[in-house]
Amino acid sequence: KAGVTQTPRYLIKTRGQQVTLSCSPISGHRSVSWYQQTPGQGLQFLFEYFSETQRNKGNFPGRFSGRQFSNSRSEMNVSTLELGDSALYLCASSLAGTGDYGYTFGSGTRLTVV
Amino acid sequence: KQEVTQIPAALSVPEGENLVLNCSFTDSAIYNLQWFRQDPGKGLTSLLLIQSSQREQTSGRLNASLDKSSGRSTLYIAASQPGDSATYLCAAPSRGNKLTFGGGTRVLVKP
Repeated sequence: KAGVTQTPRYLIKTRGQQVTLSCSPISGHRSVSWYQQTPGQGLQFLFEYFSETQRNKGNFPGRFSGRQFSNSRSEMNVSTLELGDSALYLCASSLAGTGDYGYTFGSGTRLTVV
Repeated sequence: KQEVTQIPAALSVPEGENLVLNCSFTDSAIYNLQWFRQDPGKGLTSLLLIQSSQREQTSGRLNASLDKSSGRSTLYIAASQPGDSATYLCAAPSRGNKLTFGGGTRVLVKP
């Protein structure tokens, strides 16, 4: 079965711009969560969506937002980009989001802000 | 609040040696723990998921143990190969439907 698909794989944006990243979970999985990975902070939780509802949000500014569609695909948006937003953004797919059956990650989107 | 720690941060071994990677967590009320592998610039590949009712889980040369009472999990990789060079991360579920990750152990297997 198809894995978790993240697009695009790479992005280069300028400070002040906004960006939208996409994540398609494994078929049948209703939970999508997003993580930011940087060399200094490691993997940090951004937010989790289940059945089009955001159930939890990490400690990130309001510039980071997301949504989930009825087909479980999710998008993450970052507005007014800052240099510090340069990171690998990973999304994880799970059956119900409770982690009972584990999480499957996508290949990530590498965002570079210049 | 769940905290996950991995020691050492980096490990270098000659090919053929067994690898032992450690993971400790503070909240022992976890219901599972997951080990991942990450190659440079890539996403996370799930290696093993150990449920709290299990003491260990095996897949090929990989074996992971879970001791909730001591707050520890160990990943063993038998007969290491250069292709095992990567960063290994452990993660425990936390309240709020999220994973808390350790900082990872960067492994280099020298031919």
